[in-house]
Amino acid sequence: KAGVTQTPRYLIKTRGQQVTLSCSPISGHRSVSWYQQTPGQGLQFLFEYFSETQRNKGNFPGRFSGRQFSNSRSEMNVSTLELGDSALYLCASSLLGGEAGELFFGEGSRLTVL
Amino acid sequence: QKEVEQDPGPLSVPEGAIVSLNCTYSNSAFQYFMWYRQYSRKGPELLMYTYSSGNKEDGRFTAQVDKSSKYISLFIRDSQPSDSATYLCAMSLYSSASKIIFGSGTRLSIRP
Repeated sequence: KAGVTQTPRYLIKTRGQQVTLSCSPISGHRSVSWYQQTPGQGLQFLFEYFSETQRNKGNFPGRFSGRQFSNSRSEMNVSTLELGDSALYLCASSLLGGEAGELFFGEGSRLTVL
Repeated sequence: QKEVEQDPGPLSVPEGAIVSLNCTYSNSAFQYFMWYRQYSRKGPELLMYTYSSGNKEDGRFTAQVDKSSKYISLFIRDSQPSDSATYLCAMSLYSSASKIIFGSGTRLSIRP
C-alpha cells in the first residue's frame, strides 16, 4: 500500500513570502501530524489533525497553520517566511493518532528561505 | 537542558561490529520509548517501540530501557553498511503521536 506522500519535495522561497505544503496520508489513516526538522532543534511537533479538526498544536507562532480535508489529506501553510523557517517539514500519518508506535512518516518537504 | 539528550556523533564503526546508541532523558514520567532510523533525504522510519522498562529484540536490533537511570539504548549486531543512517530516539508520556519528544539523532556510518 502507498506510503505517506508529501509535495513538493524541495522548494526555495524568499523572506516574506508564504508557502503551502501538502501531505496525503496512508489510505485509511485519519490522523496527520506535522513536524519541523532542523539540525539545531531536531524534530519538533507542529500540529496534529484528526477528522478535519486540529487536535494538538506545538509551540510555534501563528504564522504556522494547517488544515485537514474530508479525505484526510492535509496542508500546512507558513506565512511571512523568515530565514529560520528553513527546514525539512515532515508529515506523519497514523490510523487514529493515539498510537505513538504507529507513526508513518513521509519523505518530507525541504524548504529553503533566502 | 533538553528533555532528551542524544550524542550527535558521527559514529563510524567497521562492518560486523556491535553498535551501541544511547539517549538520556530528564522526565521520569516517560513511558513509551522508540527508535527511528532516518536515511539521508528520507523521513524517519520506526525501528523499535517499547513500553516501560526492559528489553526488546527484533532481528539484529535490541532496544533497552532503564527507567531507574533514565537511559535508553539501541544495539545493532553484525552491523552492515546499509545500517548507515541517522538514528533518532524518541519518547512520550502518553501513547499519542502528538506528545513524542525526539532526540536530535546520532549519525552512524558503517565502514565496509
